[in-house]
Amino acid sequence: GQQLNQSPQSMFIQEGEDVSMNCTSSSIFNTWLWYKQEPGEGPVLLIALYKAGELTSNGRLTAQFGITRKDSFLNISASIPSDVGIYFCAGREQGAQKLVFGQGTRLTINP
Amino acid sequence: SAVISQKPSRDICQRGTSLTIQCQVDSQVTMMFWYRQQPGQSLTLIATANQGSEATYESGFVIDKFPISRPNLTFSTLTVSNMSPEDSSIYLCSVEGTRRVGTDTQYFGPGTRLTVL
Repeated sequence: GQQLNQSPQSMFIQEGEDVSMNCTSSSIFNTWLWYKQEPGEGPVLLIALYKAGELTSNGRLTAQFGITRKDSFLNISASIPSDVGIYFCAGREQGAQKLVFGQGTRLTINP
Repeated sequence: SAVISQKPSRDICQRGTSLTIQCQVDSQVTMMFWYRQQPGQSLTLIATANQGSEATYESGFVIDKFPISRPNLTFSTLTVSNMSPEDSSIYLCSVEGTRRVGTDTQYFGPGTRLTVL
């Protein structure tokens, strides 16, 4: 079945820096979702994308649905300590019921 | 978004026993799913819980090991049967198709952290 390649696997940055992560798929998706998971919690939805080329912001977070429909990226501007966590991308093929998840990007911030 | 609760939040169980995890949503939803997240890993779909019919299991997961119920549009249970240490994971319930959001968005419960000794 389809797989998602999420990169980078981990990031170590200084507070205030911008962050960028991305996901690519082997097939065309019609939905991209970005989640954040903190220790001991379930994933929390950050941004949902439904159209190719769509660019959506949620505070300091911005995500885009790639034109090819096979990729998506998430940017975090001016990182702060509470941004620490694991970020997961998830996508769904046209007509499919289930989501496919990336392997996650672990974000660590040095104050 | 929907408010999703899971019980228990965590448990430590003995090998060979079974544990039933409950998932409750504050509004009716069309879809409910159960995932497993092993330590340090991503999420793996176990099954789709279908209201009024048998769950749809993913490859590698079987009903005898992970029986699922979904008696109505707001509640589901997942049982982890005859547990072994390899079943130690976080088990997550998710929902899709609430009345307040589009049907393509999936929301997760807080998870149940299971440790099998």
